[in-house]
This record gives sequence, C-alpha cells and structure tokens, in this order.
Amino acid sequence: AQKVTQAQTEISVVEKEDVTLDCVYETRDTTYYLFWYKQPPSGELVFLIRRNSFDEQNEISGRYSWNFQKSTSSFNFTITASQVVDSAVYFCALRGNTGNQFYFGTGTSLTVIP
Amino acid sequence: KAGVTQTPRYLIKTRGQQVTLSCSPISGHRSVSWYQQTPGQGLQFLFEYFSETQRNKGNFPGRFSGRQFSNSRSEMNVSTLELGDSALYLCASNTRETGGANIQYFGAGTRLSVL
Repeated sequence: AQKVTQAQTEISVVEKEDVTLDCVYETRDTTYYLFWYKQPPSGELVFLIRRNSFDEQNEISGRYSWNFQKSTSSFNFTITASQVVDSAVYFCALRGNTGNQFYFGTGTSLTVIP
Repeated sequence: KAGVTQTPRYLIKTRGQQVTLSCSPISGHRSVSWYQQTPGQGLQFLFEYFSETQRNKGNFPGRFSGRQFSNSRSEMNVSTLELGDSALYLCASNTRETGGANIQYFGAGTRLSVL
C-alpha cells in the first residue's frame, strides 16, 4: 500500500525564520517518485519538485531545499528565510512504480507572519 | 504555453441534480487525472484517462464518471448529487518527463457546492 503522512497540520512562523515541513512515506515499490506541491488560497496545486527513489541527492532551489532519506522514508522540505508569499498549504505526494495515481498527504498549512 | 483550464470555477447545485465539469489539459498532454479535495478526506484520486480510455480508477461510487475526447479534453460527471459531494475538483495534466516519472500539473479546480 502507498501512504504519505504529513504529521504537521498547521505551522506558523515569523517572516525570515526557517521552517521545515515533514513528509514520511510508505511503499513497497523499489522504484517510486516523491513530489511536493504548494496550494495557495486560489486553489491551484503548484508543482515544486519531483524526486526519484534512486536519487537521494538533496536539492536546493533558491530558498527551498529538500532532504530525501530512504533510510527513514522521509522527504522533508525546508524554506529558508520565509516570506509572507510562502503562506499556503503544502502537500507531499507519492507515485509508485506503476500507474499514474498520486497519493497525497493531508497537507501542512503554513502561515508566515509579517 | 497555456496551463490546465478547468470550467466552471464555481458551481452550486441541489441534491439529486447532476453536474458536468470540464478540463482542458496542457497542449500535447494526452493523460488527465481527476481528484476530489475535501477538508475531511483530503485529496482523493477519482480516475485517469489516457487517449480516450480510462486507465485507472479510484474508490468512488459509480455516480462519478468521466470521459476523454480525441483532443484530450476531459469531462467528469457526477449524477444524483449528494451533500457530501461538495468539494474542490481538481484536474491534472500528466506528462512523461525524463527519468520515466510523470509530473502532474494541476488546474485551479472547480468548487462544487451541493445544497
């Protein structure tokens, strides 16, 4: 079975603070793909990153960074120097080796306070 | 290029009615997936269409159906609406990226309210 857990329901930080969003996944597939999406109040899910299971290299994109650790089945997302525009709901998702169904976590609502 | 277009953005229906939602994927994308998003259940997969064929289906009752046209546009239909069908319905346009993994690009959704 495929499952994604985002234990943090809501997080509030003050602008310029760093924040890490946790994501833990479960899968029996040896090849799988992990994703992060951002959902602003407008509703559209915005793709942020995809990571393949065979590539554990961490990634940095501007203020965003992702830490993928297969040993702990985690794919955490860190925003450095948070800004008010980062306020949104963030979803972690998993896609297995077959089919095109994405399994989403329940999301973490991030509020950045100016 | 243009993103995923979903119409309408908002719908209000009453119980027992039926509704049709539309999704136009990104040009060149042949696969479309549909999701239902509710506060209680989160994002749940409805179905996926590829080249006019349903390729995968989630755990929803038969009242939920869909189809895809030759131009890759997709529609989903919900018949005999229930109050619990109130949700944000999201359409995703799927493409095969390098490395063999598809990325789903989402539309802004259709917010359906059932009264």
